Amino acid sequence: NAGVTQTPKFQVLKTGQSMTLQCAQDMNHNSMYWYRQDPGMGLRLIYYSASEGTTDKGEVPNGYNVSRLNKREFSLRLESAAPSQTSVYFCASSPLVLYGYTFGSGTRLTVV
Amino acid sequence: TQLLEQSPQFLSIQEGENLTVYCNSSSVFSSLQWYRQEPGEGPVLLVTVVTGGEVKKLKRLTFQFGDARKDSSLHITAAQPGDTGLYLCAAQGAQKLVFGQGTRLTINP
Repeated sequence: NAGVTQTPKFQVLKTGQSMTLQCAQDMNHNSMYWYRQDPGMGLRLIYYSASEGTTDKGEVPNGYNVSRLNKREFSLRLESAAPSQTSVYFCASSPLVLYGYTFGSGTRLTVV
Repeated sequence: TQLLEQSPQFLSIQEGENLTVYCNSSSVFSSLQWYRQEPGEGPVLLVTVVTGGEVKKLKRLTFQFGDARKDSSLHITAAQPGDTGLYLCAAQGAQKLVFGQGTRLTINP
């Protein structure tokens, strides 16, 4: 099925460990996004890539890095995980913001 | 950064009742979108409104964009348990969306 695929779905990390969240879309969308969702705070933008080869910081980029590997794939890396990064992470893609986003089903990350 | 305020944050009503959810800002939006999110899933786009005063209907859901394009509302008629979920509004910014904090809606049978 066409859409946005995120892996893994669940992950538990110890403080200080690193990991990469993977995201791939097969809709030929230009733009891709990483958001985190915390209770009562809606979705907050971490990083985005308006087109292949570009990345920009969002509202909460500290502690994260991203790579737009190609048009399909956009990964999010936590270099040294902290408990404050416990959250649900969503990847999304869009052909144009006006047309809306297609979201993946999320990665639930717990840092202990 | 545009700040979107949604109200109420939580709403629990009985099946068959009507309800309205609001999304407000002090900024003017070029467009606004509404999403619904179910547990364990990502948000799904319901509608995009672009023109001030615009009204769009999706079955029992009615979406309205304020005349000044600073606010929007979602009205549900005769709510059903299947309408339960988190409703998010999102405003179009430069190359990205800014989301409100959401309204968690529960429809009790």
